[in-house]
Amino acid sequence: EAGVAQSPRYKIIEKRQSVAFWCNPISGHATLYWYQQILGQGPKLLIQFQNNGVVDDSQLPKDRFSAERLKGVDSTLKIQPAKLEDSAVYLCASSFFRDREGTQYFGPGTRLLVL
Amino acid sequence: AQTVTQSQPEMSVQEAETVTLSCTYDTSESDYYLFWYKQPPSRQMILVIRQEAYKQQNATENRFSVNFQKAAKSFSLKISDSQLGDAAMYFCAWNYGGSQGNLIFGKGTKLSVKP
Repeated sequence: EAGVAQSPRYKIIEKRQSVAFWCNPISGHATLYWYQQILGQGPKLLIQFQNNGVVDDSQLPKDRFSAERLKGVDSTLKIQPAKLEDSAVYLCASSFFRDREGTQYFGPGTRLLVL
Repeated sequence: AQTVTQSQPEMSVQEAETVTLSCTYDTSESDYYLFWYKQPPSRQMILVIRQEAYKQQNATENRFSVNFQKAAKSFSLKISDSQLGDAAMYFCAWNYGGSQGNLIFGKGTKLSVKP
């Protein structure tokens, strides 16, 4: 079974530029999460989707971050314009909504450096 | 609000020895799930072990086991017969279960394994 796929793996941009990250979850997983992991910290949720609907985006900086999951499968996270403090690893995870434990499976992440 | 605390930023163990990583959490919920995730350097986060709060029996997965103390809100991870491949960041995490919510992570413990 294929795992969670993410691209690109690395991205370097200048501040005020825009960037987009892509995620394809495990097949059959209706729930998709985007996390931000700043160096030295644990991941923090940015947004959670159930199919193509948003469940929780309370910690998403909506003035600069946006995310979509149009067909309930893959998802895109965008930052526009980027700030220095956005340098982090962006993790995508997915889970099977009928899984009682809610175990989440993570992709390899996208490492973003904003200069 | 739920919080997860890992009080050991770094730990070290000799190969073949046993090490215990600590985790405490705070929640007013009675039913929830706890996880330990491993994140090797520049590699993706993988699930090590999970525990259901209503189960008194401690979870075990090969060389990995937990000591779950619900009243004390403590969830430690024991790694027996440590191997060089166990070197990684270890994150303790909490969630409601199912698709109800995101994982709440601790800040992580960096484990080094000495040959």
